Parts: sequence; structure tokens; C-alpha cells
Amino acid sequence: SFELTQPPSVSVSPGQRVTITCSGDRLGDKYTSWYRQKPGQSPVLVIYEDAKRPSGIPERFSGSNSGNTATLTISGTQPMDEADYYCQAWDSSIVVFGGGTKLTVL
Amino acid sequence: EVQLVESGGGLVQPGGSLRLSCAASGFTFSNYALTWVRQAPGKGLEWVSSISDSGSSAYYLDSMKGRFTISRDNSNNTLYLQMNSLRAGDTAVYYCARGFRADPYDSWGRGTLVTVSS
Repeated sequence: SFELTQPPSVSVSPGQRVTITCSGDRLGDKYTSWYRQKPGQSPVLVIYEDAKRPSGIPERFSGSNSGNTATLTISGTQPMDEADYYCQAWDSSIVVFGGGTKLTVL
Repeated sequence: EVQLVESGGGLVQPGGSLRLSCAASGFTFSNYALTWVRQAPGKGLEWVSSISDSGSSAYYLDSMKGRFTISRDNSNNTLYLQMNSLRAGDTAVYYCARGFRADPYDSWGRGTLVTVSS
């Protein structure tokens, strides 16, 4: 079965760049989306089709996908970016989410 | 403004049933596939089921097949999830989201909590 693997946690200092990875078999052949979820809130789409940003998402959010790994990058991380981040992809008609990465902005 | 509002959650005994609803507004409902995603307490997101824009095709996570049924009423802009034979492991917040497959989940409801417990 298709699975996506993320690191459980990542930390970054304010103003620095952070990357969150998502690994899966030949993930680069599929489109990956990323969602941000703050405590007590619903998920919010931050990246779709590997690297596109929905309207309203700051330019500091970017994405890439190649080989077996998709990456979410946040440049100039702000304290408001502290949240859980989930990658997501689909294979045939099955949708899979990664286990989530807790981003801490120290 | 796109709005998705879930309802129908609550406390149910193991083996019981619930029907969740998701009322949509702010977009042409019949043009979009829709999806249910759940999140157990303290856990990650899990895809449950999706339905095509017309309602003619439905898709399920294997563990839901035969127990859950997704449906939609395009005349009333409402998505449903009928859940039968509920287990403790089904305890979660259930979100409805717009999108499926190539269409990302660009709008989400606030979720409705389902608790399966005796």
C-alpha cells in the first residue's frame, strides 16, 4: 500500500529557513499537496501540485517534489507558522496523508 | 465565500450508526468532488471517503468499505456519510473537504466529533 513518511518534529529559529520532507515510493511521479493545521483548527491548504500556492498563502511557503521526496520549505519562518504540517498525495483512487510534522518556532 | 458546515456527530455505542451531513454554500456544489477526512484525538489526518461531482462514483479507505456510505444531494448542496457498525477506533473529528484526486482540498469545514463508546 502507498505510504507517506514525514519526520515527527522539526524546529527552527524565527527568521530562518526550514524544510519538511515527505517520502514515498516514486512520490515524484505524483502531485503532492501540503496542509497546515494549528491547534483546534481545521487544516489549511498551503501548497498544491507540488509547488503552487493558493491565494492568501505567503510567498515564504514553497514546495518541490522529485524522486521519492517532496519538500515544503518555509523561508523567513515566523512564530505564526508554528503548526502541524501534513503532506498528501493520491494513487489511483486512494488518498494518503503523511503522519504529520510538528513545526516548532523557537 | 466557500463554506462547509458539518453536523450529525455525537456519542454512539459500539455497533451503532450515525449519519453525518455537510452543508455547502458559496460555490457551485455539483461541480466539485467532495471528501470526508477524519482525525482521531491527538492523531494525524486520515482520508475516509470521496465522491465524484455527480455522485456516480464513490471511493473508500479499505477499512471503511461495507460500513460507511458516502452520498450527496446536489439539489440541496449537502454531502452525507452514513456510518454503521461503529467501533471505538472510529472516534474522531470528521471533516468534509472540497476536492479529490487531482483537485486539492482547498476548503474544509470545522469538523464534527464522533465518539464511539459504551
